[in-house]
Parts: sequence; structure tokens; C-alpha cells
Amino acid sequence: DARVTQTPRHKVTEMGQEVTMRCQPILGHNTVFWYRQTMMQGLELLAYFRNRAPLDDSGMPKDRFSAEMPDATLATLKIQPSEPRDSAVYFCASGLVTGPGTEAFFGQGTRLTVV
Amino acid sequence: AQSVAQPEDQVKVAEGNPLTVKCTYSVSGNPYLFWYVQYPNRGLQFLLKYITGDNLVKGSYGFEAEFNKSQTSFHLKKPSALVSDSALYFCAVRDMSGGYNKLIFGAGTRLAVHP
Repeated sequence: DARVTQTPRHKVTEMGQEVTMRCQPILGHNTVFWYRQTMMQGLELLAYFRNRAPLDDSGMPKDRFSAEMPDATLATLKIQPSEPRDSAVYFCASGLVTGPGTEAFFGQGTRLTVV
Repeated sequence: AQSVAQPEDQVKVAEGNPLTVKCTYSVSGNPYLFWYVQYPNRGLQFLLKYITGDNLVKGSYGFEAEFNKSQTSFHLKKPSALVSDSALYFCAVRDMSGGYNKLIFGAGTRLAVHP
């Protein structure tokens, strides 16, 4: 059963520390999304990759966040330095986007707590 | 820009009764609409989508959605609710602006089905 895998599932870190979240998209998918979910803002799109190339990261705070896809099986989201306001659940989703009607498949998320 | 609105933060229904979770959309061009469900501590799961064709779309777990172009709505429905349907439901629209292919989510509606 193909699924998007995210690690770690939970992360507690101190303010100022670097945080790296990893995502293994479904094999063969050509698109990866990173979303952040908070009670106040709901689901926000942070970054979007197609064929490993970053197409849109306008939703990401550029000074501290970075997203990469070193290869087709790994996407990473880094926060450096982390702040308490970054506490949220971060979701990765992948899809084989061949047209506008294709859906995305979500991982179970990384729950980040910055203290 | 494309957007969806979910006017109800919460919907409560009794088990066995029909349920409706509302969604309205605002798009330029053809709408591509999706429903996802999120169970506690889980990622989002795809339920169904509207691309074109029949206005009544059937999806997973007995859910269906009705596309109404004149009312710009895409309401999620189920004839007989189960307690296990209690979850957070998200409506989403495909945003093709700028050559991108992103999913934009509504704020979510929490469905509570009581015995």
C-alpha cells in the first residue's frame, strides 16, 4: 500500500535550534507539497516542487525556512533558527499531477513543538 | 485567486441522520474541487473530487458531493451518518494560476456525529 512517509512524527525542540523534517513521497509521483496546519491559520501551503524543482515557496518565511528535494525519494523542510511560533503540524503531500484533476496524498505529519 | 469557503466551523448530527457539510467556491475558469477528511492525529485522506461531467460525485465511505454551478457550491453529503464519520472535513480547489498546480484548502468543518 503506497503512502507518503514523514519523519519524525513528533519533535520537541528548544528555540533557536535547527529542525529538519523529512518526507518520502510515493514512488513515481512528480509533485511534492509542504503544508503547515495550525488552529489559527488552518492549512497553509509552504512550498511546492514539481520534478524536484521548487516552483513556489512564497508561503514560506524565507529568512528561516528552506525546502529541498535532494533526490526523487526525499524532500526536506528545515527551520533554522526555530521559534515558538513555528509550533504546528507540518504535512507533506505528493501527487502524480498530470492535470488539474489529480489529487494529492498526504503523510501523517510531523508535530513540531518549539519551547 | 481561487478560493473555497466553509461557512460552518462545526456540524452536529445524530447517527443515522443525513449529513451535509457546506463548501462554496470562487474560481476563474473551470472549477476542480476536492473533499478531504482528517481523523485525529492523522494526515488528510482524499474522499472525492469534481472535474467535469455528472454533478453528483460519489466517493469513499459512502460520501457524495453535489456540484452546483449556479450557486458555486460543492456540498458534501451522506445519507446516513455514522459515529465514526466524526472528523475534520476540508474542501479544496485546484489553483492553476501562474502555471502552478496547487491545492488551496478551506478552513475546515468539524463534524460531530452523536449516538
